[in-house]
Order: sequence, then structure tokens, then C-alpha cells
Amino acid sequence: DVKVTQSSRYLVKRTGEKVFLECVQDMDHENMFWYRQDPGLGLRLIYFSYDVKMKEKGDIPEGYSVSREKKERFSLILESASTNQTSMYLCASSYPQGMVGYTFGSGTRLTVV
Amino acid sequence: GENVEQHPSTLSVQEGDSAVIKCTYSDSASNYFPWYKQELGKGPQLIIDIRSNVGEKKDQRIAVTLNKTAKHFSLHITETQPEDSAVYFCAASSGRTSYDKVIFGPGTSLSVIP
Repeated sequence: DVKVTQSSRYLVKRTGEKVFLECVQDMDHENMFWYRQDPGLGLRLIYFSYDVKMKEKGDIPEGYSVSREKKERFSLILESASTNQTSMYLCASSYPQGMVGYTFGSGTRLTVV
Repeated sequence: GENVEQHPSTLSVQEGDSAVIKCTYSDSASNYFPWYKQELGKGPQLIIDIRSNVGEKKDQRIAVTLNKTAKHFSLHITETQPEDSAVYFCAASSGRTSYDKVIFGPGTSLSVIP
């Protein structure tokens, strides 16, 4: 079964900490995405990558950065965590052609205190 | 800007009844409309999608319809079962590449009452 694996289901971090969220996919997908999910706001795109070492800003990139050193791994970095970054974070991957769906991970629920 | 609206935000149905979720989109360039189901504690899972050259698509108890003129599309679930209880998201994109902007609706929480 194909998979997108997010390293942590739950994380609690302190304000100001640097936080790493890791995502690994085993489908050899070119594209990878980081979304943030908040009640009533749906899914909002933070960053995406369509190739190794490539990254593009999504709709809400402020306060985040990403790293993609290997095709299968896409990391989301919170440089200095703040309480308004408390959220559910979802990683997804897909093939590069159009009109294909995404495969999502199970999510990481991050709480910043 | 581009927007996808989704209604209702919550929906309760008796087991065996049908459920309908409706979405409207604003970008006339949208050509690809996937639907995702998110069960509790899991990530969204693609359950069905439709492309703009098709008006309707069916997969067992699930069907989607698309009206490009009116810019709306709908998910229909027949003979609902308790395991259909989840949050459903519609989405729209141009579909030229898979990283063309995908706009998600805010979600519909479906409860199927046994």
C-alpha cells in the first residue's frame, strides 16, 4: 500500500522553538506539499516542491520554510514557533501530470505553548 | 480571488438515506474537481474526481455531477452507511499540472445515524 508518512502524530513545542516536521513518501512522486488545516478554514497550502531542491511558496508561507534534499522526503520548518501556528499539518504527494489526486499523510497535530 | 464554497457545513442523515454535498467555484479555468474524505484521525483520501469534459461520474454508491456553466459540482452518496461518517472536501484546479493551484472547500462534516 502506497504511503505518505509523517514522523509525528502529536507534537507540543514551546514558543520560539525551531520545529521540524518530517514527511516521507514511498511512491516516487515528484510533487510534495505541506498544508495546514484549521476548523472552518479548510486546507491552506504552505509550500510545495515539484523536484528535489525546488520549492515554491503557497498561500501562507510566512513563518515557515521547507527543505527537500531527497525526492522522498519533504520537511517543514517553523523557524520560531508561535502560538498561532498551533494547527494540524498535512503532507501530500502526487505525480506531476495534471488531473491527478493527492495522497495525504495522517497529519501532525502541533500545539505551541 | 479564486474560491470554492461548500454546503452544508454539517449534515446528518439516517443510515440508508442519501447525502448530497454541493460546491461552487469561481475560477472559470477550473477543469479538475476531486473529492476527498477525511476520517477521524486520518488524512484526506481521494474518493472520486471528475474532469470538465464529463458531466457525471459514478463509483458504486458515490456519484459526482458537474455543471460547468453554473460553476457548481456535487457529491451524491446513496444508501449511506455509518462508515461514510467523515469530513468531505471538494476541490477545484485547472488541472494543467498537479501543482497548479488547488482550491479546497471548507469541508462538510457528514454524520450517518444508525
